[in-house]
Amino acid sequence: AQTVTQSQPEMSVQEAETVTLSCTYDTSESDYYLFWYKQPPSRQMILVIRQEAYKQQNATENRFSVNFQKAAKSFSLKISDSQLGDAAMYFCAYYGNKLVFGAGTILRVKS
Amino acid sequence: NAGVTQTPKFRVLKTGQSMTLLCAQDMNHEYMYWYRQDPGMGLRLIHYSVGEGTTAKGEVPDGYNVSRLKKQNFLLGLESAAPSQTSVYFCASSPTMTSGVFSAAYEQYFGPGTRLTVT
Repeated sequence: AQTVTQSQPEMSVQEAETVTLSCTYDTSESDYYLFWYKQPPSRQMILVIRQEAYKQQNATENRFSVNFQKAAKSFSLKISDSQLGDAAMYFCAYYGNKLVFGAGTILRVKS
Repeated sequence: NAGVTQTPKFRVLKTGQSMTLLCAQDMNHEYMYWYRQDPGMGLRLIHYSVGEGTTAKGEVPDGYNVSRLKKQNFLLGLESAAPSQTSVYFCASSPTMTSGVFSAAYEQYFGPGTRLTVT
């Protein structure tokens, strides 16, 4: 079965600084998709960024980018120029034939 | 578009009571899902549906039943609530999985969640 591990229960970053959230996963499949979701206090799950495993190029969405290392089964999220609105729980998720979530990382942004 | 909506937003039940959570989507999505979110465990799949009239078990299906009588609705039922079912429940939907090229085919759109407490 596929598993997703987020080893950082909590992270803190100063406003305008850069932070990287870690995610590793375990799978025997070669074709899959990876996602980062943001969950603010409102509880709404918001898709931040997606990565197709067959693409070598790392996905980027404005201030959010990933470092996808397929051989290492690693999928980290980098947030640049952190803003107060980035404070939330972040979930890494793997999709092979169903979506599997990590336990989440709480990101706190200090002003 | 309202996207994915869930009813109710909050509910408190006594042990043994029953209830139904309603999920509705207006995006004409084929796939719909029910998850539960517990502290320190992320979201776990309860049941899902790949189309009207079909349902399948997910990772944690025990104690729940579902029905998909209409394409736009996916109902989650608790026949006899237990304190272990205290959780936040999320519904999600996604387009067909048969797209040849990935675009949003595997992206799930989530509802706002329902906080259920069983005492």
